[in-house]
Amino acid sequence: QSVLTQPPSVSGAPGQRVTISCTGSSSNIGAGYDVHWYQQLPGAAPKLLIYGNTNRPSGVPDRFSGSKSGTSASLAITGLQAVDEADYYCQSYDSSLSGSGVFGGGTRLTVL
Amino acid sequence: QVQLQESGPGLVKSSETLSLTCTVSGGSISSFYWSWIRQPPGKGLEWIGYIYYSGSTNYNPSLKSRVTISVDTSKNQFSLKLSSLTAADTAVYYCARVRRDDYNGAPAHFDYWGQGTLVTVSS
Repeated sequence: QSVLTQPPSVSGAPGQRVTISCTGSSSNIGAGYDVHWYQQLPGAAPKLLIYGNTNRPSGVPDRFSGSKSGTSASLAITGLQAVDEADYYCQSYDSSLSGSGVFGGGTRLTVL
Repeated sequence: QVQLQESGPGLVKSSETLSLTCTVSGGSISSFYWSWIRQPPGKGLEWIGYIYYSGSTNYNPSLKSRVTISVDTSKNQFSLKLSSLTAADTAVYYCARVRRDDYNGAPAHFDYWGQGTLVTVSS
Protein backbone atom coordinates (compact mmCIF):
# COMPACT_ATOMS: atom_id res chain seq x y z
CA GLN A 1 0.00 0.00 0.00
CA SER A 2 1.70 3.18 -1.20
CA VAL A 3 1.49 6.43 0.77
CA LEU A 4 0.64 8.26 -2.46
CA THR A 5 -2.22 6.84 -4.56
CA GLN A 6 -2.09 6.66 -8.36
CA PRO A 7 -4.38 4.87 -10.83
CA PRO A 8 -2.75 1.60 -11.95
CA SER A 9 -3.24 2.38 -15.62
CA VAL A 10 -4.36 5.02 -18.09
CA SER A 11 -4.53 4.95 -21.87
CA GLY A 12 -5.02 7.27 -24.78
CA ALA A 13 -4.75 7.48 -28.53
CA PRO A 14 -1.90 9.29 -30.28
CA GLY A 15 -2.43 13.04 -30.18
CA GLN A 16 -4.79 12.92 -27.22
CA ARG A 17 -4.36 14.37 -23.74
CA VAL A 18 -4.15 12.18 -20.66
CA THR A 19 -3.81 12.97 -16.99
CA ILE A 20 -2.44 10.93 -14.11
CA SER A 21 -3.53 11.75 -10.58
CA CYS A 22 -1.55 11.42 -7.35
CA THR A 23 -3.44 11.63 -4.07
CA GLY A 24 -1.73 12.10 -0.73
CA SER A 25 -2.64 13.40 2.72
CA SER A 26 -2.10 16.19 5.21
CA SER A 27 1.36 14.89 6.15
CA ASN A 28 2.82 14.98 2.64
CA ILE A 29 1.24 16.81 -0.33
CA GLY A 30 -1.31 18.56 1.88
CA ALA A 31 1.45 19.78 4.21
CA GLY A 32 2.91 21.81 1.36
CA TYR A 33 5.66 19.46 0.26
CA ASP A 34 6.36 19.48 -3.43
CA VAL A 35 5.36 16.69 -5.81
CA HIS A 36 7.76 15.32 -8.40
CA TRP A 37 7.15 13.00 -11.33
CA TYR A 38 9.32 10.34 -12.96
CA GLN A 39 9.03 8.46 -16.23
CA GLN A 40 10.33 4.90 -16.38
CA LEU A 41 10.68 3.35 -19.82
CA PRO A 42 10.79 -0.46 -20.01
CA GLY A 43 14.09 -1.81 -18.69
CA ALA A 44 15.44 1.63 -17.79
CA ALA A 45 16.04 3.64 -14.64
CA PRO A 46 13.45 6.28 -13.71
CA LYS A 47 14.00 9.72 -15.20
CA LEU A 48 12.99 13.00 -13.58
CA LEU A 49 10.10 14.49 -15.56
CA ILE A 50 8.63 17.23 -13.35
CA TYR A 51 10.04 18.68 -10.13
CA GLY A 52 8.64 21.18 -7.66
CA ASN A 53 5.07 20.48 -8.82
CA THR A 54 5.34 22.28 -12.16
CA ASN A 55 8.97 22.55 -13.31
CA ARG A 56 10.47 20.65 -16.24
CA PRO A 57 14.17 19.75 -16.29
CA SER A 58 16.07 20.77 -19.38
CA GLY A 59 15.24 18.48 -22.28
CA VAL A 60 11.76 17.44 -21.15
CA PRO A 61 9.20 18.42 -23.79
CA ASP A 62 6.55 20.97 -22.87
CA ARG A 63 3.92 18.33 -23.67
CA PHE A 64 4.46 17.28 -20.06
CA SER A 65 3.07 19.49 -17.30
CA GLY A 66 2.34 19.18 -13.61
CA SER A 67 -0.06 20.76 -11.17
CA LYS A 68 -0.88 20.53 -7.48
CA SER A 69 -3.92 21.41 -5.40
CA GLY A 70 -4.65 20.55 -1.80
CA THR A 71 -3.68 16.97 -1.09
CA SER A 72 -3.43 15.97 -4.77
CA ALA A 73 -1.30 16.50 -7.83
CA SER A 74 -1.63 15.69 -11.51
CA LEU A 75 0.61 15.01 -14.47
CA ALA A 76 -0.78 15.95 -17.88
CA ILE A 77 0.58 14.74 -21.19
CA THR A 78 -0.68 16.39 -24.36
CA GLY A 79 -0.11 15.35 -27.96
CA LEU A 80 0.37 11.76 -26.84
CA GLN A 81 3.08 9.86 -28.71
CA ALA A 82 4.01 6.18 -28.85
CA VAL A 83 7.32 6.97 -27.12
CA ASP A 84 5.38 8.15 -24.06
CA GLU A 85 4.31 4.58 -23.28
CA ALA A 86 5.93 3.99 -19.90
CA ASP A 87 5.36 3.82 -16.14
CA TYR A 88 4.93 7.14 -14.33
CA TYR A 89 5.56 7.68 -10.60
CA CYS A 90 4.78 10.61 -8.33
CA GLN A 91 6.98 11.32 -5.31
CA SER A 92 6.92 13.62 -2.32
CA TYR A 93 8.15 13.96 1.26
CA ASP A 94 6.22 12.83 4.31
CA SER A 95 6.79 14.47 7.68
CA SER A 96 4.92 11.83 9.67
CA LEU A 97 7.15 8.93 8.65
CA SER A 98 10.38 10.14 10.23
CA GLY A 99 10.98 12.41 7.28
CA SER A 100 10.58 9.88 4.53
CA GLY A 101 10.65 10.00 0.81
CA VAL A 102 7.41 8.52 -0.50
CA PHE A 103 6.39 7.27 -3.94
CA GLY A 104 3.08 6.55 -5.59
CA GLY A 105 2.43 3.02 -6.73
CA GLY A 106 2.99 3.93 -10.36
CA THR A 107 0.73 4.30 -13.41
CA ARG A 108 1.23 2.38 -16.64
CA LEU A 109 0.46 4.57 -19.66
CA THR A 110 -0.61 2.72 -22.77
CA VAL A 111 -0.73 4.52 -26.11
CA LEU A 112 -3.47 2.85 -28.13
CA GLN B 1 27.38 15.60 -16.27
CA VAL B 2 26.92 13.77 -12.99
CA GLN B 3 26.93 9.98 -13.28
CA LEU B 4 26.18 7.34 -10.66
CA GLN B 5 27.18 3.69 -10.83
CA GLU B 6 26.05 0.95 -8.47
CA SER B 7 28.32 -1.99 -7.75
CA GLY B 8 28.05 -5.13 -5.66
CA PRO B 9 27.07 -8.78 -5.82
CA GLY B 10 24.09 -9.78 -7.92
CA LEU B 11 23.31 -12.86 -5.86
CA VAL B 12 23.19 -13.06 -2.08
CA LYS B 13 21.95 -15.71 0.30
CA SER B 14 18.94 -15.49 2.53
CA SER B 15 19.69 -14.25 6.08
CA GLU B 16 22.96 -12.64 4.94
CA THR B 17 23.82 -8.94 4.47
CA LEU B 18 23.70 -7.11 1.14
CA SER B 19 26.43 -4.55 0.49
CA LEU B 20 26.24 -2.12 -2.43
CA THR B 21 28.34 0.90 -3.32
CA CYS B 22 27.43 3.90 -5.47
CA THR B 23 30.31 5.75 -7.13
CA VAL B 24 29.64 9.36 -8.14
CA SER B 25 31.55 10.88 -11.05
CA GLY B 26 31.36 14.22 -12.83
CA GLY B 27 30.63 16.10 -9.61
CA SER B 28 31.36 16.21 -5.89
CA ILE B 29 29.44 14.23 -3.32
CA SER B 30 29.63 17.23 -1.00
CA SER B 31 26.69 19.55 -0.32
CA PHE B 32 24.08 17.03 -1.45
CA TYR B 33 21.81 14.35 -0.08
CA TRP B 34 22.14 10.90 -1.65
CA SER B 35 19.67 8.06 -1.63
CA TRP B 36 19.02 4.39 -2.25
CA ILE B 37 15.77 3.29 -3.89
CA ARG B 38 14.70 -0.22 -4.87
CA GLN B 39 12.19 -1.82 -7.21
CA PRO B 40 11.10 -5.47 -6.86
CA PRO B 41 10.52 -7.19 -10.21
CA GLY B 42 7.28 -5.99 -11.77
CA LYS B 43 6.52 -3.65 -8.86
CA GLY B 44 6.85 0.01 -7.93
CA LEU B 45 9.60 2.12 -6.43
CA GLU B 46 10.43 2.00 -2.72
CA TRP B 47 12.60 4.63 -1.02
CA ILE B 48 15.19 3.03 1.28
CA GLY B 49 16.95 6.00 2.84
CA TYR B 50 18.89 9.25 2.53
CA ILE B 51 22.38 10.26 3.61
CA TYR B 52 23.73 13.79 3.68
CA TYR B 53 27.37 14.19 2.67
CA SER B 54 28.15 15.03 6.31
CA GLY B 55 26.92 11.58 7.34
CA SER B 56 23.46 12.23 8.78
CA THR B 57 20.89 9.66 7.70
CA ASN B 58 17.17 9.05 7.43
CA TYR B 59 15.69 5.63 6.74
CA ASN B 60 12.38 4.16 5.60
CA PRO B 61 10.68 3.14 8.88
CA SER B 62 9.77 -0.25 7.40
CA LEU B 63 13.46 -1.05 6.77
CA LYS B 64 15.13 1.00 9.50
CA SER B 65 16.12 -1.94 11.72
CA ARG B 66 18.03 -3.59 8.86
CA VAL B 67 19.52 -0.66 6.91
CA THR B 68 22.77 1.25 7.18
CA ILE B 69 23.82 3.91 4.67
CA SER B 70 27.29 5.42 4.89
CA VAL B 71 29.36 7.91 2.87
CA ASP B 72 33.05 8.15 1.95
CA THR B 73 33.68 11.65 0.65
CA SER B 74 37.34 10.88 -0.10
CA LYS B 75 36.23 8.29 -2.66
CA ASN B 76 33.09 10.14 -3.78
CA GLN B 77 31.07 7.07 -2.83
CA PHE B 78 28.18 6.12 -0.61
CA SER B 79 27.10 2.64 0.40
CA LEU B 80 24.12 0.54 1.45
CA LYS B 81 24.05 -2.39 3.84
CA LEU B 82 20.82 -4.37 4.26
CA SER B 83 20.85 -7.23 6.73
CA SER B 84 18.74 -10.33 7.41
CA LEU B 85 17.82 -10.72 3.78
CA THR B 86 14.75 -12.61 2.56
CA ALA B 87 13.34 -13.27 -0.89
CA ALA B 88 11.24 -10.11 -0.50
CA ASP B 89 14.46 -8.08 -0.76
CA THR B 90 15.02 -9.27 -4.34
CA ALA B 91 14.93 -6.08 -6.40
CA VAL B 92 16.74 -3.68 -8.68
CA TYR B 93 18.60 -1.29 -6.38
CA TYR B 94 19.15 2.28 -7.59
CA CYS B 95 21.31 5.03 -6.15
CA ALA B 96 20.29 8.64 -6.78
CA ARG B 97 21.26 12.24 -6.03
CA VAL B 98 18.72 14.24 -4.03
CA ARG B 99 17.99 17.92 -4.48
CA ARG B 100 16.72 19.92 -1.52
CA ASP B 101 13.55 22.01 -1.27
CA ASP B 102 14.58 25.66 -1.72
CA TYR B 103 12.21 26.82 1.03
CA ASN B 104 12.51 24.31 3.84
CA GLY B 105 15.71 22.46 3.03
CA ALA B 106 14.00 19.07 3.14
CA PRO B 107 15.10 16.37 0.73
CA ALA B 108 13.06 16.86 -2.42
CA HIS B 109 13.48 15.22 -5.83
CA PHE B 110 15.92 12.72 -7.29
CA ASP B 111 17.63 14.36 -10.26
CA TYR B 112 20.33 11.86 -11.19
CA TRP B 113 19.97 8.08 -11.02
CA GLY B 114 22.28 5.14 -11.50
CA GLN B 115 21.35 2.49 -14.03
CA GLY B 116 20.38 0.09 -11.23
CA THR B 117 21.68 -3.30 -10.22
CA LEU B 118 19.58 -6.44 -9.81
CA VAL B 119 20.07 -8.21 -6.51
CA THR B 120 18.58 -11.68 -6.15
CA VAL B 121 18.24 -13.26 -2.72
CA SER B 122 18.49 -17.03 -2.87
CA SER B 123 17.64 -19.60 -0.27
